[in-house]
Amino acid sequence: DTGVSQDPRHKITKRGQNVTFRCDPISEHNRLYWYRQTLGQGPEFLTYFQNEAQLEKSRLLSDRFSAERPKGSFSTLEIQRTEQGDSAMYLCASSSRVGSGDEQFFGPGTRLTVL
Amino acid sequence: RKEVEQDPGPFNVPEGATVAFNCTYSNSASQSFFWYRQDCRKEPKLLMSVYSSGNEDGRFTAQLNRASQYISLLIRDSKLSDSATYLCVPKGGYQKVTFGTGTKLQVIP
Repeated sequence: DTGVSQDPRHKITKRGQNVTFRCDPISEHNRLYWYRQTLGQGPEFLTYFQNEAQLEKSRLLSDRFSAERPKGSFSTLEIQRTEQGDSAMYLCASSSRVGSGDEQFFGPGTRLTVL
Repeated sequence: RKEVEQDPGPFNVPEGATVAFNCTYSNSASQSFFWYRQDCRKEPKLLMSVYSSGNEDGRFTAQLNRASQYISLLIRDSKLSDSATYLCVPKGGYQKVTFGTGTKLQVIP
């Protein structure tokens, strides 16, 4: 399967713990996005990378959230001192401007539950 | 005004019916437009891209009206398998991407 993959698929944690999620984009895609989605809402943009550079970050992303893409391939999203309000589906998407018109392809998501 | 507005529905339609959804956007600089389909508790999947006035793919037709800043999605001959939430995504020259909240479609036997 050469699509976007995310790990883990589900994470249950206690309030105050740190969690880290991983996203592996489609191999030839240089753009990578993180989103958060709660029930009944569309995906909310969190941050965007072009290669290893983080080019945009939403105001939704508090200082407890950090994302990296050190070698321009996979990316990690870390949430420190989790809160119950962080419970959501965290989606990763990748795209490539060349040829495809920059359509984004999504991974299956990581569902986070903070107790 | 919200960046992207969609009627959340649900739209309950019988099999075989034609149904249309609208999506309005506020950023006049938006250059490309996408419709995604999302099944319950699954990730969004790209349905259609719209770069000029419209696009057609089988039973699905997307229309773009830049003057009025809306895009529409028309589904003909609805199937039970079309039941899902349809998300509208206008994309500007910058990279921040704003999704609509989606329109829920339920096709009834």
